Amino acid sequence: QAVLTQPPSLSASPGASASLTCTLRSGINVGTYRIYWYQQKPGSPPQFLLRYQSDSDNLQGSGVPSRFSGSKDASANAGILLISGLQSEDEADYYCVIWHSSAWVFGGGTKLTVL
Amino acid sequence: QVQLVESGGGLVKPGGSLRLSCAASGFTFSDYYMSWIRQAPGKGLEWISYISSSGSYTNYADSVRGRFTISRDNAKNSLYLQINSLRAEDTAVYYCATRYYDSTGYYLKWWGQGTLVTVSS
Repeated sequence: QAVLTQPPSLSASPGASASLTCTLRSGINVGTYRIYWYQQKPGSPPQFLLRYQSDSDNLQGSGVPSRFSGSKDASANAGILLISGLQSEDEADYYCVIWHSSAWVFGGGTKLTVL
Repeated sequence: QVQLVESGGGLVKPGGSLRLSCAASGFTFSDYYMSWIRQAPGKGLEWISYISSSGSYTNYADSVRGRFTISRDNAKNSLYLQINSLRAEDTAVYYCATRYYDSTGYYLKWWGQGTLVTVSS
């Protein structure tokens, strides 16, 4: 079982909100990890969006709009990236990351389609 | 401004070797941990190695341990990845990235544009 599991794809309409989930493997408690989120567009390297541990411990990437936000769902053992007011330029791949056992661990990514 | 420029990729036969480089500028390279991350065509991101700021500490993903060697030359502001015993599944774009830190913690902030390694006979 992968350490981080993301749904492969998600579609949403312009102006709507999208909630991207990152589920941690059983036995790895989301409460103890900072969840990092990256956006990647075709042909470009990933770009840091934000880091979320709690409402009092989070970091927004430089220039990242406030409509990108992070949260956690402890009951689902998952990190969440919420994108509100979807725009066409938000169409991209999104990756969650944690620092686990002295290594960066990436989720498989979610392809967000805005249509 | 910060720049990370990878080089050294190319077409190589299975079993062959390559040395990738990452030239850094615009920041104090010797202050930061560095990582290599790769992305197979059409696939997700995979972290493969990091090295401490001094070069004293390294770690590798299980998928590459024993075949890949990360190193750095702080005098030259350069990061390297020696890749041996290449396999078809090593075909990927290889990115170098900087683990930026501040008072709030750290994250992979600066990324290069990547260099493509293709393993094929």
